[in-house]
Amino acid sequence: AQKVTQAQTEISVVEKEDVTLDCVYETRDTTYYLFWYKQPPSGELVFLIRRNSFDEQNEISGRYSWNFQKSTSSFNFTITASQVVDSAVYFCALSQEEGAQKLVFGQGTRLTINP
Amino acid sequence: GAGVSQSPSNKVTEKGKDVELRCDPISGHTALYWYRQSLGQGLEFLIYFQGNSAPDKSGLPSDRFSAERTGGSVSTLTIQRTQQEDSAVYLCASRPRRGVTGELFFGEGSRLTVL
Repeated sequence: AQKVTQAQTEISVVEKEDVTLDCVYETRDTTYYLFWYKQPPSGELVFLIRRNSFDEQNEISGRYSWNFQKSTSSFNFTITASQVVDSAVYFCALSQEEGAQKLVFGQGTRLTINP
Repeated sequence: GAGVSQSPSNKVTEKGKDVELRCDPISGHTALYWYRQSLGQGLEFLIYFQGNSAPDKSGLPSDRFSAERTGGSVSTLTIQRTQQEDSAVYLCASRPRRGVTGELFFGEGSRLTVL
């Protein structure tokens, strides 16, 4: 069975601080896909990134970066120099299929950035 | 609008009534998904449609839940004889057939409250 654990239920930081959201996953598949989604107050989930299990290169996109480590089954997400607009609930998810037919989501981490 | 559209945005119903939730995917997207987001269970996969293939209904929690997709576009999720535990936000998502990133495009959801 697949499982995603986001141990941090809520995080609150002051603007401009760096913050890391943890994600640990469990799967028996050798090929799998990891995702991060952002859910702002409006409710729709917004795609941030997808990672293949065979690509452990870290990814950076502006202030966002992701650290994928198969050895610890983790796919952590760091926001550098956080901004108030980063406030949202962030979900890590896992899928067996490249097309993300069935995403298994973590419980989410509510991130609040205070001015 | 160009995004995934869901209606109603809010629905309050009495226990035992039937409800229908509608999803208009992004034009041209061949894949359509329903997920449920509730306090107790987090985000759960319900059902997946891909083109003319038989839908994957493996996530539907009971036979009170059904969904159809007409003409490869609009989808309706029907819940019969609603129960209080059906209270949740029902999220619809769509994806193009040849999506490169595996990104799902989500709507803002339909919040269902069963009294």
